[in-house]
Amino acid sequence: EAQVTQNPRYLITVTGKKLTVTCSQNMNHEYMSWYRQDPGLGLRQIYYSMNVEVTDKGDVPEGYKVSRKEKRNFPLILESPSPNQTSLYFCASSMGHSEQYFGPGTRLTVT
Amino acid sequence: AQKVTQAQTEISVVEKEDVTLDCVYETRDTTYYLFWYKQPPSGELVFLIRRNSFDEQNEISGRYSWNFQKSTSSFNFTITASQVVDSAVYFCALSEASFSGGYNKLIFGAGTRLAVHP
Repeated sequence: EAQVTQNPRYLITVTGKKLTVTCSQNMNHEYMSWYRQDPGLGLRQIYYSMNVEVTDKGDVPEGYKVSRKEKRNFPLILESPSPNQTSLYFCASSMGHSEQYFGPGTRLTVT
Repeated sequence: AQKVTQAQTEISVVEKEDVTLDCVYETRDTTYYLFWYKQPPSGELVFLIRRNSFDEQNEISGRYSWNFQKSTSSFNFTITASQVVDSAVYFCALSEASFSGGYNKLIFGAGTRLAVHP
């Protein structure tokens, strides 16, 4: 089954404690991206990757890092999380301008 | 600059009513793509439709229909005979072909929360 998986689905952490949210897709898609969803703002792109070792900033990259060492994986790293990073995070993958496939979401709370 | 506006924050209807969700977009590109996604209470994002800028034909899929009008930069979504299961947040999104050699960056609207009551 074609899918994008994210882990963990729920995470509560404290300010400053490094964390990683994993994302993996099994569709051999070149493009992957991370979005955050906040009430009243819709989804906003954090980072994206056009292929292995090719990543770039989206609209709200501050406080986040990513890596793309393998085509299927695109982890999101918060090296020093802060409360304003409390949000719902989605990973997505696609081929060109086709439909983007979204993961199930990761709800992060930073206290 | 590209932008998607969903002016309706929340809509409440009674089952079997028809409801239209508005979406207005801004772009300077002549080639672009428009999408609608549904986010039910469970939280996942469900793809509904993708439309490219050269195809203004309206589309119908069961109780769902979409009206794309380039003249007014709108891509409205109508649910006919709404049902309780249609209750969700609906997002309209835009992707521009010229961005980064074709990368599919989605610009989302803020979403419209639809509540369908029995």
